[in-house]
Amino acid sequence: AQSVTQLDSQVPVFEEAPVELRCNYSSSVSVYLFWYVQYPNQGLQLLLKYLSGSTLVKGINGFEAEFNKSQTSFHLRKPSVHISDTAEYFCAAGDQTGANNLFFGTGTRLTVIP
Amino acid sequence: EPEVTQTPSHQVTQMGQEVILRCVPISNHLYFYWYRQILGQKVEFLVSFYNNEISEKSEIFDDQFSVERPDGSNFTLKIRSTKLEDSAMYFCASSVLGQGTEAFFGQGTRLTVV
Repeated sequence: AQSVTQLDSQVPVFEEAPVELRCNYSSSVSVYLFWYVQYPNQGLQLLLKYLSGSTLVKGINGFEAEFNKSQTSFHLRKPSVHISDTAEYFCAAGDQTGANNLFFGTGTRLTVIP
Repeated sequence: EPEVTQTPSHQVTQMGQEVILRCVPISNHLYFYWYRQILGQKVEFLVSFYNNEISEKSEIFDDQFSVERPDGSNFTLKIRSTKLEDSAMYFCASSVLGQGTEAFFGQGTRLTVV
């Protein structure tokens, strides 16, 4: 079975500073990896995804993530955050065994401080 | 932009009552999902639905739960006899295909069982 770990439940960061939100996964098979963002009172919106190919994935709103198979990680980064980036961020994994459900982490609350 | 819509946004029900949560997936999508998030916990997969039948379900999705696509546009989750521990945010999602494709999520229905 898969599991996804987001070690940081809350990350405060000053505006225009860089940020990294950590995600680790465990899986015995090849995985698909996703980052979703949830703004207050809204649903989950896809930021970016890794299916195969280049390990550096670029997404919306200036975010990017790097798939590291040896460290089983898929950390999310942004070089300069904005107030509007304040939200909950979820890492999720799906596998290639035929199942089409996603396993989510517990989420990281990013708070951008003016 | 097409989106997944869920109604109601908030439902309060008494323990033991039946509830039906409604979702309208994106029209050309073939896979439909229900997830839930208990307050402070991770988003958990409940069930996926394809070609008018359940394709995957988790251990959470016991006999108290059922899903239906009654009219070709709506996708519903029924909880037959609600328990206090069913209180959670319930997310509906849909995707064009199954594994590896982006799932689009609705805004969620917050279910409170009293």
